[in-house]
Amino acid sequence: DTEVTQTPKHLVMGMTNKKSLKCEQHMGHRAMYWYKQKAKKPPELMFVYSYEKLSINESVPSRFSPECPNSSLLNLHLHALQPEDSALYLCASSRERWGSTDTQYFGPGTRLTVL
Amino acid sequence: AQKITQTQPGMFVQEKEAVTLDCTYDTSDQSYGLFWYKQPSSGEMIFLIYQGSYDEQNATEGRYSLNFQKARKSANLVISASQLGDSAMYFCAMREYTGNQFYFGTGTSLTVIP
Repeated sequence: DTEVTQTPKHLVMGMTNKKSLKCEQHMGHRAMYWYKQKAKKPPELMFVYSYEKLSINESVPSRFSPECPNSSLLNLHLHALQPEDSALYLCASSRERWGSTDTQYFGPGTRLTVL
Repeated sequence: AQKITQTQPGMFVQEKEAVTLDCTYDTSDQSYGLFWYKQPSSGEMIFLIYQGSYDEQNATEGRYSLNFQKARKSANLVISASQLGDSAMYFCAMREYTGNQFYFGTGTSLTVIP
């Protein structure tokens, strides 16, 4: 089973709202990732968690706040977003953070629209 | 320098024909992995195929095969017997042993014509 689930599928929020994106995997993977993807562009890495600890933050604005409550769950808390933050947000997981052979498996994504 | 280069922004192929999507990469690592993903309009990134730098045989997964030419640093995806459901964006990606992230190419949009 290589399933990564994400909720919600779609989210529309105002610039003053607070919302959260949720990602879950049950493959026993120890690395989890958040990506942001604009239309017709490749995914851009935002955060990497390894063994439930934040290991990479790619200079993401503080209005995005990641959280890894346990090895299966990854959240992305959103607050005071801007319209340019509208994008597809993808979660992924891999067995380990390091190593050239580890495949990243992606969830279906959350399409976020900020009004 | 770009780590992954995909030079074909868009490709068209007739149904049931084979198509090759190009990918070249740049790394000084001896150990690395190359991956292809398919992204339909629904958004999900679907893992298709993996090739390790030390693998001597080209990887195959069903209708997908990876034409790995290490000296030329290319890792082209070959899709045989194209189907309408193959219409999607295709991304080539690389992971280096010493690195901690995937490098994605800019993608190739494939359209299968009935």
